[in-house]
Amino acid sequence: EEQLAESGGGLVQPGGSLRLSCVGSGYSFSRLWMHWVRQAPGKGLEWISHVNNEGTFTAYADSVKGRFTISRDNANSMIHLQMNSLRAEDTAIYYCVRDQFFAFDLWGPGTMVTVSS
Amino acid sequence: EIVLTQSPVTLSLSPGERATLSCRASQSVRNFLHWYQQKPGQAPRLLIYDASNRATGIPARFSGSGSGTDFTLTITSLEPEDFAVYYCQQRYNWPRTFGQGTKVEIK
Repeated sequence: EEQLAESGGGLVQPGGSLRLSCVGSGYSFSRLWMHWVRQAPGKGLEWISHVNNEGTFTAYADSVKGRFTISRDNANSMIHLQMNSLRAEDTAIYYCVRDQFFAFDLWGPGTMVTVSS
Repeated sequence: EIVLTQSPVTLSLSPGERATLSCRASQSVRNFLHWYQQKPGQAPRLLIYDASNRATGIPARFSGSGSGTDFTLTITSLEPEDFAVYYCQQRYNWPRTFGQGTKVEIK
């Protein structure tokens, strides 16, 4: 079964850092692009970051550019999201998402990040 | 950034009725427009990609149409499990953007 599983969420103070991870299984991980999408409590979906299959191209939403860094480790079928200088408005469920046919075709269950003092 | 505007915000219908959801883009996205369904407490699920192609395992009662700036998701006969929030998303350029969502609720 094709699956994604996120980890690393939790409670962090404003200005702090957190590193999210996502492991893919059941498919050829290194072939496909990956993304992070987040959803603030009671709100809609926001795309925040992308990495291509080789890890040589990345893209970010303006809301996280300069603070978040996406990376991937194909040997271990993982992607990571390093989040620095966290703000209250970064509080959200963070979803790891696979890209196939340039669509978000497989989603993890999400990991909750809460930024609060 | 391409802005996607979905309408209506909420659609109140009964099981068996037809649902028509709209997504309008602030500029042409050709046919590079996808639709997702999200149920409470769950991750979104891809329904339609590139305007009109059903994703794997999606029932035939879901269909998509449109190109350029105006798109429609149609559910021909609502089943109880179809009451959810629906989002459109463009992949024409970066940043990828979503509409704000349409909630289909039971009347």
